[in-house]
Amino acid sequence: AQSVTQLDSQVPVFEEAPVELRCNYSSSVSVYLFWYVQYPNQGLQLLLKYLSGSTLVESINGFEAEFNKSQTSFHLRKPSVHISDTAEYFCAVSQMYSSASKIIFGSGTRLSIRP
Amino acid sequence: DTGVSQNPRHKITKRGQNVTFRCDPISEHNRLYWYRQTLGQGPEFLTYFQNEAQLEKSRLLSDRFSAERPKGSFSTLEIQRTEQGDSAMYLCASSRRPMGDDNSPLHFGNGTRLTVT
Repeated sequence: AQSVTQLDSQVPVFEEAPVELRCNYSSSVSVYLFWYVQYPNQGLQLLLKYLSGSTLVESINGFEAEFNKSQTSFHLRKPSVHISDTAEYFCAVSQMYSSASKIIFGSGTRLSIRP
Repeated sequence: DTGVSQNPRHKITKRGQNVTFRCDPISEHNRLYWYRQTLGQGPEFLTYFQNEAQLEKSRLLSDRFSAERPKGSFSTLEIQRTEQGDSAMYLCASSRRPMGDDNSPLHFGNGTRLTVT
Protein backbone atom coordinates (compact mmCIF):
# COMPACT_ATOMS: atom_id res chain seq x y z
CA ALA A 1 0.00 0.00 0.00
CA GLN A 2 1.05 3.56 -0.61
CA SER A 3 0.70 6.67 1.52
CA VAL A 4 1.52 10.36 1.16
CA THR A 5 2.53 12.85 3.83
CA GLN A 6 2.30 16.59 3.40
CA LEU A 7 3.73 18.00 6.59
CA ASP A 8 2.65 21.59 6.06
CA SER A 9 -1.09 22.20 6.13
CA GLN A 10 -0.63 25.92 5.40
CA VAL A 11 2.21 27.90 3.85
CA PRO A 12 1.97 31.70 3.81
CA VAL A 13 4.46 33.54 1.60
CA PHE A 14 4.90 37.02 0.21
CA GLU A 15 4.35 37.68 -3.47
CA GLU A 16 7.48 37.15 -5.59
CA ALA A 17 9.10 35.07 -2.83
CA PRO A 18 10.19 31.48 -3.44
CA VAL A 19 8.17 28.61 -2.03
CA GLU A 20 8.60 24.90 -1.38
CA LEU A 21 5.72 22.56 -0.56
CA ARG A 22 6.95 19.33 0.92
CA CYS A 23 5.76 15.86 0.04
CA ASN A 24 7.00 12.48 1.21
CA TYR A 25 5.58 9.15 0.19
CA SER A 26 5.75 5.58 1.38
CA SER A 27 5.62 2.57 -0.90
CA SER A 28 7.18 -0.86 -1.19
CA VAL A 29 6.99 -0.73 -4.99
CA SER A 30 7.80 1.77 -7.72
CA VAL A 31 5.36 4.62 -8.04
CA TYR A 32 4.14 7.43 -10.20
CA LEU A 33 3.93 10.83 -8.49
CA PHE A 34 1.63 13.77 -9.05
CA TRP A 35 0.85 17.25 -7.83
CA TYR A 36 -2.75 18.40 -8.17
CA VAL A 37 -3.97 21.96 -7.53
CA GLN A 38 -7.38 23.17 -6.42
CA TYR A 39 -8.03 26.87 -6.97
CA PRO A 40 -10.82 28.52 -4.94
CA ASN A 41 -14.24 27.27 -6.04
CA GLN A 42 -12.77 25.03 -8.73
CA GLY A 43 -12.18 21.30 -9.16
CA LEU A 44 -8.87 19.49 -8.82
CA GLN A 45 -6.49 19.89 -11.76
CA LEU A 46 -3.25 18.09 -12.56
CA LEU A 47 -0.28 20.43 -12.09
CA LEU A 48 2.58 18.07 -12.98
CA LYS A 49 3.51 14.41 -12.89
CA TYR A 50 6.52 12.12 -12.68
CA LEU A 51 6.19 8.87 -14.61
CA SER A 52 9.77 8.01 -15.59
CA GLY A 53 12.93 9.53 -17.00
CA SER A 54 14.18 12.90 -15.77
CA THR A 55 13.58 13.30 -12.06
CA LEU A 56 12.88 17.02 -12.48
CA VAL A 57 9.47 17.81 -13.92
CA GLU A 58 7.97 21.20 -14.67
CA SER A 59 4.54 22.73 -15.08
CA ILE A 60 3.51 25.38 -17.58
CA ASN A 61 3.12 28.05 -14.87
CA GLY A 62 6.61 27.86 -13.40
CA PHE A 63 6.31 25.15 -10.75
CA GLU A 64 8.74 22.26 -10.67
CA ALA A 65 9.09 19.11 -8.60
CA GLU A 66 11.98 16.72 -8.18
CA PHE A 67 11.62 13.01 -7.57
CA ASN A 68 14.13 11.87 -4.96
CA LYS A 69 13.94 8.11 -4.59
CA SER A 70 16.44 7.84 -1.75
CA GLN A 71 14.52 10.36 0.34
CA THR A 72 11.11 9.22 -0.97
CA SER A 73 10.22 12.84 -1.64
CA PHE A 74 8.56 14.85 -4.39
CA HIS A 75 8.74 18.45 -3.18
CA LEU A 76 7.11 21.21 -5.21
CA ARG A 77 8.95 24.49 -5.75
CA LYS A 78 8.51 27.82 -7.44
CA PRO A 79 11.19 30.53 -7.45
CA SER A 80 8.73 33.45 -7.44
CA VAL A 81 5.04 33.13 -6.59
CA HIS A 82 2.12 35.25 -7.78
CA ILE A 83 -1.18 36.08 -6.15
CA SER A 84 -2.81 33.78 -8.72
CA ASP A 85 -0.95 30.80 -7.21
CA THR A 86 -3.19 30.97 -4.13
CA ALA A 87 -4.71 27.50 -3.96
CA GLU A 88 -4.58 24.15 -2.20
CA TYR A 89 -1.95 21.75 -3.47
CA PHE A 90 -2.21 17.98 -3.17
CA CYS A 91 0.62 15.53 -3.63
CA ALA A 92 -0.46 12.10 -4.84
CA VAL A 93 0.98 8.67 -5.62
CA SER A 94 -0.04 5.73 -7.76
CA GLN A 95 1.47 2.26 -8.00
CA MET A 96 3.48 1.77 -11.18
CA TYR A 97 2.50 -1.00 -13.61
CA SER A 98 -0.56 -2.00 -11.64
CA SER A 99 -4.11 -2.68 -12.65
CA ALA A 100 -5.05 -1.22 -9.26
CA SER A 101 -4.55 2.23 -10.63
CA LYS A 102 -6.14 4.42 -7.98
CA ILE A 103 -4.37 7.59 -6.88
CA ILE A 104 -3.71 8.12 -3.18
CA PHE A 105 -3.69 11.77 -2.09
CA GLY A 106 -1.99 13.62 0.73
CA SER A 107 -3.94 15.89 3.05
CA GLY A 108 -3.03 19.01 1.10
CA THR A 109 -1.12 22.26 1.65
CA ARG A 110 -2.91 25.56 1.47
CA LEU A 111 -0.68 28.16 -0.17
CA SER A 112 -1.63 31.74 0.64
CA ILE A 113 0.15 34.62 -1.04
CA ARG A 114 0.51 37.97 0.70
CA PRO A 115 0.95 41.11 -1.41
CA ASP B 1 -14.15 17.90 -24.07
CA THR B 2 -16.99 19.16 -21.86
CA GLY B 3 -15.40 17.97 -18.64
CA VAL B 4 -16.69 15.74 -15.86
CA SER B 5 -20.17 16.76 -14.74
CA GLN B 6 -21.61 16.04 -11.30
CA ASN B 7 -25.15 16.57 -10.08
CA PRO B 8 -26.40 17.93 -7.86
CA ARG B 9 -23.81 20.50 -6.76
CA HIS B 10 -25.23 20.58 -3.26
CA LYS B 11 -27.47 18.22 -1.33
CA ILE B 12 -28.87 18.76 2.15
CA THR B 13 -30.65 15.80 3.68
CA LYS B 14 -31.87 14.63 7.04
CA ARG B 15 -30.18 11.78 8.83
CA GLY B 16 -31.63 8.45 7.80
CA GLN B 17 -32.64 9.51 4.31
CA ASN B 18 -31.21 8.02 1.12
CA VAL B 19 -29.35 10.16 -1.42
CA THR B 20 -28.10 9.52 -4.93
CA PHE B 21 -25.45 11.44 -6.85
CA ARG B 22 -24.74 11.30 -10.55
CA CYS B 23 -21.49 11.62 -12.46
CA ASP B 24 -21.12 12.03 -16.22
CA PRO B 25 -17.50 11.42 -17.22
CA ILE B 26 -15.72 12.79 -20.24
CA SER B 27 -16.96 10.85 -23.24
CA GLU B 28 -14.66 7.99 -24.30
CA HIS B 29 -13.12 7.80 -20.83
CA ASN B 30 -13.36 4.17 -19.82
CA ARG B 31 -12.33 4.62 -16.19
CA LEU B 32 -14.44 6.37 -13.58
CA TYR B 33 -13.50 7.02 -9.95
CA TRP B 34 -15.33 8.18 -6.84
CA TYR B 35 -13.52 9.98 -4.05
CA ARG B 36 -14.68 11.63 -0.83
CA GLN B 37 -13.12 14.79 0.59
CA THR B 38 -13.71 16.25 4.02
CA LEU B 39 -12.55 19.64 5.29
CA GLY B 40 -8.80 19.80 5.71
CA GLN B 41 -8.19 16.45 4.09
CA GLY B 42 -7.20 15.22 0.68
CA PRO B 43 -9.53 13.15 -1.48
CA GLU B 44 -10.03 9.60 -0.18
CA PHE B 45 -10.51 6.84 -2.73
CA LEU B 46 -13.89 5.09 -2.61
CA THR B 47 -14.22 2.98 -5.74
CA TYR B 48 -13.51 2.83 -9.46
CA PHE B 49 -14.96 1.33 -12.63
CA GLN B 50 -13.46 0.23 -15.88
CA ASN B 51 -16.34 0.48 -18.29
CA GLU B 52 -19.26 -1.07 -16.40
CA ALA B 53 -17.15 -3.29 -14.14
CA GLN B 54 -16.48 -2.14 -10.57
CA LEU B 55 -12.88 -3.20 -10.09
CA GLU B 56 -12.05 -1.99 -6.59
CA LYS B 57 -13.86 -0.77 -3.50
CA SER B 58 -12.25 0.90 -0.52
CA ARG B 59 -12.88 -0.30 3.00
CA LEU B 60 -14.28 3.20 3.51
CA LEU B 61 -17.24 2.16 1.39
CA SER B 62 -19.60 0.66 3.96
CA ASP B 63 -22.61 -1.46 3.09
CA ARG B 64 -24.72 1.70 3.02
CA PHE B 65 -22.80 2.91 -0.03
CA SER B 66 -23.35 1.51 -3.50
CA ALA B 67 -22.07 2.66 -6.86
CA GLU B 68 -23.12 1.64 -10.33
CA ARG B 69 -22.10 2.32 -13.88
CA PRO B 70 -24.67 0.26 -15.78
CA LYS B 71 -23.78 1.09 -19.37
CA GLY B 72 -20.20 2.10 -18.91
CA SER B 73 -21.07 5.77 -19.27
CA PHE B 74 -22.53 7.75 -16.34
CA SER B 75 -22.27 6.51 -12.77
CA THR B 76 -24.40 6.87 -9.66
CA LEU B 77 -23.35 6.78 -6.03
CA GLU B 78 -26.11 6.01 -3.52
CA ILE B 79 -25.87 6.40 0.23
CA GLN B 80 -28.61 4.71 2.24
CA ARG B 81 -29.64 5.70 5.75
CA THR B 82 -27.33 8.71 5.76
CA GLU B 83 -25.41 9.63 8.90
CA GLN B 84 -23.90 12.97 9.91
CA GLY B 85 -20.46 11.49 9.31
CA ASP B 86 -21.32 11.13 5.64
CA SER B 87 -21.22 14.91 5.24
CA ALA B 88 -18.43 15.60 2.74
CA MET B 89 -17.64 16.58 -0.83
CA TYR B 90 -18.05 13.60 -3.16
CA LEU B 91 -15.77 13.83 -6.16
CA CYS B 92 -15.96 11.99 -9.44
CA ALA B 93 -13.04 11.65 -11.85
CA SER B 94 -12.46 9.92 -15.15
CA SER B 95 -9.53 8.88 -17.30
CA ARG B 96 -9.03 7.33 -20.71
CA ARG B 97 -6.37 4.76 -19.86
CA PRO B 98 -4.86 3.03 -16.89
CA MET B 99 -3.12 5.47 -14.56
CA GLY B 100 0.35 6.48 -15.54
CA ASP B 101 -0.02 6.26 -19.31
CA ASP B 102 1.20 9.32 -21.16
CA ASN B 103 -1.11 12.29 -21.04
CA SER B 104 -3.75 10.47 -19.05
CA PRO B 105 -4.30 12.22 -15.74
CA LEU B 106 -7.47 12.04 -13.74
CA HIS B 107 -10.04 14.66 -14.75
CA PHE B 108 -12.13 15.72 -11.77
CA GLY B 109 -15.62 17.13 -11.60
CA ASN B 110 -16.51 19.98 -9.24
CA GLY B 111 -18.06 17.58 -6.77
CA THR B 112 -21.33 17.18 -4.90
CA ARG B 113 -21.35 18.64 -1.41
CA LEU B 114 -23.48 16.56 0.94
CA THR B 115 -24.69 17.95 4.25
CA VAL B 116 -26.52 15.57 6.59
CA THR B 117 -28.48 17.32 9.34
